[in-house]
Amino acid sequence: GENVEQHPSTLSVQEGDSAVIKCTYSDSASNYFPWYKQELGKRPQLIIDIRSNVGEKKDQRIAVTLNKTAKHFSLHITETQPEDSAVYFCAASMSGTSYDKVIFGPGTSLSVIP
Amino acid sequence: SAVISQKPSRDICQRGTSLTIQCQVDSQVTMMFWYRQQPGQSLTLIATANQGSEATYESGFVIDKFPISRPNLTFSTLTVSNMSPEDSSIYLCSVEEGVYGYTFGSGTRLTVV
Repeated sequence: GENVEQHPSTLSVQEGDSAVIKCTYSDSASNYFPWYKQELGKRPQLIIDIRSNVGEKKDQRIAVTLNKTAKHFSLHITETQPEDSAVYFCAASMSGTSYDKVIFGPGTSLSVIP
Repeated sequence: SAVISQKPSRDICQRGTSLTIQCQVDSQVTMMFWYRQQPGQSLTLIATANQGSEATYESGFVIDKFPISRPNLTFSTLTVSNMSPEDSSIYLCSVEEGVYGYTFGSGTRLTVV
């Protein structure tokens, strides 16, 4: 089955700097790659996603890139702010297939230092 | 996107008992998913529940321990049976919404004593 790895496990950046989180997946049939932000005590919230027919997607300060050949995808947060501090999870799924389910990476705890 | 109501939000249970968690969605969805999130950990998929068929369980999870019902396209329950302290965790349901991706319920924080 699908396995998702994520690095780093913890990340501290100064406010205004950029943060990058990297993930790899194992199953080449995966076609949908969401990123979730989870604040303490709250449910995971989708912040951006990318499908396998796209190489890059951007939404304001957040961008995601996908390299299908290498089975890598990354989250980029620019101009970080203290409210970006949270745990971020990458995930992979075979959306729209009979194997549709989301498999999560282990998470990255991001701290933005004012 | 869909609104998911999950209850109870938290519970403290005695070991050996069972707890049923309910998940209600405000729209019809084909697939519902149940996850477990242990303290400080990632989300682990327990099972996938489609309406009208038996749930599909992931490796390490069995129906006798985590029976699931899916009576219609807007509702599902997960039961945690014969609980032990190791079952203390947050349990979350999730639905897929096509272009909106996967949305999560607010979770059930279970403590087994």
